[in-house]
Amino acid sequence: GENVEQHPSTLSVQEGDSAVIKCTYSDSASNYFPWYKQELGKGPQLIIDIRSNVGEKKDQRIAVTLNKTAKHFSLHITETQPEDSAVYFCAASRENSGGSNYKLTFGKGTLLTVNP
Amino acid sequence: GAVVSQHPSRVICKSGTSVKIECRSLDFQATTMFWYRQFPKQSLMLMATSNEGSKATYEQGVEKDKFLINHASLTLSTLTVTSAHPEDSSFYICSVNRPGIYGYTFGSGTRLTVV
Repeated sequence: GENVEQHPSTLSVQEGDSAVIKCTYSDSASNYFPWYKQELGKGPQLIIDIRSNVGEKKDQRIAVTLNKTAKHFSLHITETQPEDSAVYFCAASRENSGGSNYKLTFGKGTLLTVNP
Repeated sequence: GAVVSQHPSRVICKSGTSVKIECRSLDFQATTMFWYRQFPKQSLMLMATSNEGSKATYEQGVEKDKFLINHASLTLSTLTVTSAHPEDSSFYICSVNRPGIYGYTFGSGTRLTVV
């Protein structure tokens, strides 16, 4: 099955700095890579995702890059703010637009702390 | 994205009793829903895949007789923790997938405490 490794487990940055979280996956058939933000006591919230037909995707201060050959993908947050503090999870799945639902495998998470 | 409602958000029960958690897909007819468990400071671990009108598929190591899943309609899946014990205390989260559109959307989670 799929195995997703995520690093670092904790990350502390100063407000305004950039934060980078990296993940690797093992299943070459995986083609969907979402990133989730989870605040204490809440369910994960999708912040950005990327599919294997593109190498990079950006949404304001958040970007994700994907290297299919190396089987790794990264989350980049620029101009960090204290409200970005949370646990971030990467995940991987074989997505089938025809309707089949494959499992989503999560990394172990990164606790990001943005210091004012 | 898809809207997923999970209820209750918190529940405390006595050892030996059963607890039911509901997961509703409010704007999408979901033939499949997913149930996860998350212990403190850990990642989400998939427990089972809930299939509308048929039996759920459980992950290895998850007791199907303890964690009963019912997916009787396209908008509702329930997870019942039977004969709960303190070690079942955890955060339970459901998810719905809309492939190619919104991806996986998660409920707000249920904090179960067994005393």
